[in-house]
Amino acid sequence: GESVGLHLPTLSVQEGDNSIINCAYSNSASDYFIWYKQESGKGPQFIIDIRSNMDKRQGQRVTVLLNKTVKHLSLQIAATQPGDSAVYFCAENTGTASKLTFGTGTRLQVTL
Amino acid sequence: EAEVAQSPRYKITEKSQAVAFWCDPISGHATLYWYRQILGQGPELLVQFQDESVVDDSQLPKDRFSAERLKGVDSTLKIQPAELGDSAMYLCASSQTTGVNTEAFFGQGTRLTVV
Repeated sequence: GESVGLHLPTLSVQEGDNSIINCAYSNSASDYFIWYKQESGKGPQFIIDIRSNMDKRQGQRVTVLLNKTVKHLSLQIAATQPGDSAVYFCAENTGTASKLTFGTGTRLQVTL
Repeated sequence: EAEVAQSPRYKITEKSQAVAFWCDPISGHATLYWYRQILGQGPELLVQFQDESVVDDSQLPKDRFSAERLKGVDSTLKIQPAELGDSAMYLCASSQTTGVNTEAFFGQGTRLTVV
């Protein structure tokens, strides 16, 4: 079936650098996307979302870009901090039932 | 700040035993989800409730798993009998309503180990 996937399982960046986490989705009917951050032993935490009628959305230190042509989603974290170390998941919402489908995640490691 | 409450945080059970998890969603949230997360993977939806009704349980192994939300508030997920492959994190989430652009808030999860 259609699913959400991620290109890189692990991303290592130096503190202060910018991070880019990518996600590819295959369901063209998906109309809402969310990035979650999950720290070890905890539940996923909402970071930022974007609707399919948008290309870009900015939050505090985070930006999500959506390219519907190639079905690609990215999360950009500015000035990465040690507290950003976690696993990041993109999730897509398809249809009216708010069913969220998650990818396998990317582990972000921030080095000092 | 309102949170999704789950208990227990950790559970160790023997194979073939019964186990149950409890979830209390954020007050006023009509939609409740149970997800299973195997280590190193993304969460997979098991069952979704809208108030007390099941909206989606297509991925719930109904021969051993059951879920209920009798009064449309808190919910219980049960496994009977537990198998070794059921070892995972069980996550509960809730959202205000069903529909597009609905953010789901997650609890801390219950880590199940079947021995």
